Amino acid sequence: KNEVEQSPQNLTAQEGEFITINCSYSVGISALHWLQQHPGGGIVSLFMLSSGKKKHGRLIATINIQEKHSSLHITASHPRDSAVYICAVILKSSGSARQLTFGSGTQLTVLP
Amino acid sequence: DSGVTQTPKHLITATGQRVTLRCSPRSGDLSVYWYQQSLDQGLQFLIQYYNGEERAKGNILERFSAQQFPDLHSELNLSSLELGDSALYFCASSVVGTTNTGELFFGEGSRLTVL
Repeated sequence: KNEVEQSPQNLTAQEGEFITINCSYSVGISALHWLQQHPGGGIVSLFMLSSGKKKHGRLIATINIQEKHSSLHITASHPRDSAVYICAVILKSSGSARQLTFGSGTQLTVLP
Repeated sequence: DSGVTQTPKHLITATGQRVTLRCSPRSGDLSVYWYQQSLDQGLQFLIQYYNGEERAKGNILERFSAQQFPDLHSELNLSSLELGDSALYFCASSVVGTTNTGELFFGEGSRLTVL
């Protein structure tokens, strides 16, 4: 079983829709990253969270440490949001290394 | 543009060969991380260097090695290549030595195809 699970694996939405991507993890973490991978392959770090909520433009990320769950929300979605969104956690068990363990990603397609 | 530069962008080689991937971090960033993204394994952490020293090791094969030079650029060496080494190799950099503080900046990746 993967330590980091994302859902859904694939998501198709119409332009303007509100989108939610979920990430669950099974072990203790010290922080969580949301990454965006463009169709060309490049990766951009969107958020790093250890508690609460962060907002950047139309993107909102939340984390509930007790429930071991994080969500990425996109408001007023646009075709340019089409990408793979990847959740990555730093496991407490990785000790001082504190390196990323990745989810398998959510492929988002926003149709005009 | 993240400020992290990776070369080459694409590389095609044969089994048994050796290749070197290069990464120049953002100006001022001391940490360099290497990741492998393959179709079957997804993204995996390989190795991290901080200010020239190895800081952490992940799922890096013995056939692979890396180093970080005094000017902070890093190289990932892949030898005795196998078909399964075909993947996208990413480099990322950060100012600090751990990924739970501060942002990570990724390069565009080097796509390796082993035939």
